[in-house]
Amino acid sequence: AQSVTQLDSQVPVFEEAPVELRCNYSSSVSVYLFWYVQYPNQGLQLLLKYLSGSTLVESINGFEAEFNKSQTSFHLRKPSVHISDTAEYFCAVSVKAAGNKLTFGGGTRVLVKP
Amino acid sequence: DTAVSQTPKYLVTQMGNDKSIKCEQNLGHDTMYWYKQDSKKFLKIMFSYNNKELIINETVPNRFSPKSPDKAHLNLHINSLELGDSAVYFCASSQDRLAKETQYFGPGTRLLVL
Repeated sequence: AQSVTQLDSQVPVFEEAPVELRCNYSSSVSVYLFWYVQYPNQGLQLLLKYLSGSTLVESINGFEAEFNKSQTSFHLRKPSVHISDTAEYFCAVSVKAAGNKLTFGGGTRVLVKP
Repeated sequence: DTAVSQTPKYLVTQMGNDKSIKCEQNLGHDTMYWYKQDSKKFLKIMFSYNNKELIINETVPNRFSPKSPDKAHLNLHINSLELGDSAVYFCASSQDRLAKETQYFGPGTRLLVL
């Protein structure tokens, strides 16, 4: 079975500062990797995902994540955060051969302070 | 134009009651899901349907019964509600059942059992 660990439950950060959210996964088979964002009182939205190819993936709003197979990690970064980035961020995996069952990490709450 | 919608948004009820949550997607997707998010924000899949066929059935009490009348709808009926059922329930959909597909989430139904 696969598992996902998000090492930080909460990350306070000042506006315009960089942020990194850590995600490690465990799986004996190949996986796809996802980051979803949940704004207050809303459902989850896909931020970005890694399927194959370049290990660095980017989102349209300035986030990027790098897949590191040897370290089984998929950390999320943004060089300069905005107040509007305040949200809960979830890392998730799905097993390539096992259908679209997402296994989520525990989430990291990002609180951007002015 | 809401892609994945859920009703009701809030549900407050007494222990022992039976309740239903409805979900509809207008994305033309084949696959739909129910997730439970507990008070600590932990997300876990409950069920998945593909073209009205049950394909994922996690370890969920049999008081929970999903029903898919057509591929655009997935409802969740809960019998004999218990305090521990209090959570946010999210419906989601994806193009198909492949592991690489993005899942699109509804806004959630906040269930409180008193």
